[in-house]
Amino acid sequence: VQLMESGGGVVQPGRFLRLSCAASGFSFSSCAMHWVRQAPGKGLEWVSFILHDGEITYYADSVKGRFTISRDNSKNTVSLQINNLRTEDTAVYYCAKDRGGGSLDYWGQGTLVTVSS
Amino acid sequence: SFVLTQPPSLSLAPGETATITCGGKNLQNLRVHWYQQRPGQAPVLVISSDIDRPSDIPERFSGSKIDDTATLTISRVEPGDEADYHCQVWDSSSGHGVFGGGTKLTVL
Repeated sequence: VQLMESGGGVVQPGRFLRLSCAASGFSFSSCAMHWVRQAPGKGLEWVSFILHDGEITYYADSVKGRFTISRDNSKNTVSLQINNLRTEDTAVYYCAKDRGGGSLDYWGQGTLVTVSS
Repeated sequence: SFVLTQPPSLSLAPGETATITCGGKNLQNLRVHWYQQRPGQAPVLVISSDIDRPSDIPERFSGSKIDDTATLTISRVEPGDEADYHCQVWDSSSGHGVFGGGTKLTVL
């Protein structure tokens, strides 16, 4: 199983960014996926969830309305569109595979998003 | 919003037993998962659904739960166990994931 995030970088407040996660080594279209972030020196924060078929999505209250999760099962990718970036969005963003029951059994190495003017 | 409470830190000598707690209201009705995160690395699942240990995790790692407190126990701690440990639940009724604040385990 491999998960590889991309799309991070340094962006100005108010701009947007699209993160992607490429999955391999498992039946991607059968698995729910999550995004989790970690601000520098802080703990883990759950961000978003998408069901295996993309029909159901959930968001943390802190990002609802600005973040959009989506997936393309034909390309084995899950994405996170982040609009109106804020300095508090600065973090390493991880994608993770849902094992079932909400446990996350595989994680990518993360992509760093830095929001700064 | 739902809150999971962990002690911020724990220091032990090699060979001792680490006990890391995670408390939260109504936790008895939720499945608790535990992750190990070494410095600069991604988290690794060490216990799922309160007590289940993935096959590649050493038997020294175990999980339990009594009422609204879940516990991760690491027997005979080794220097390689030095890491941050995070508990987590998935609240299906609200469609939200929640992590505890994390516990930094130091092996002296």
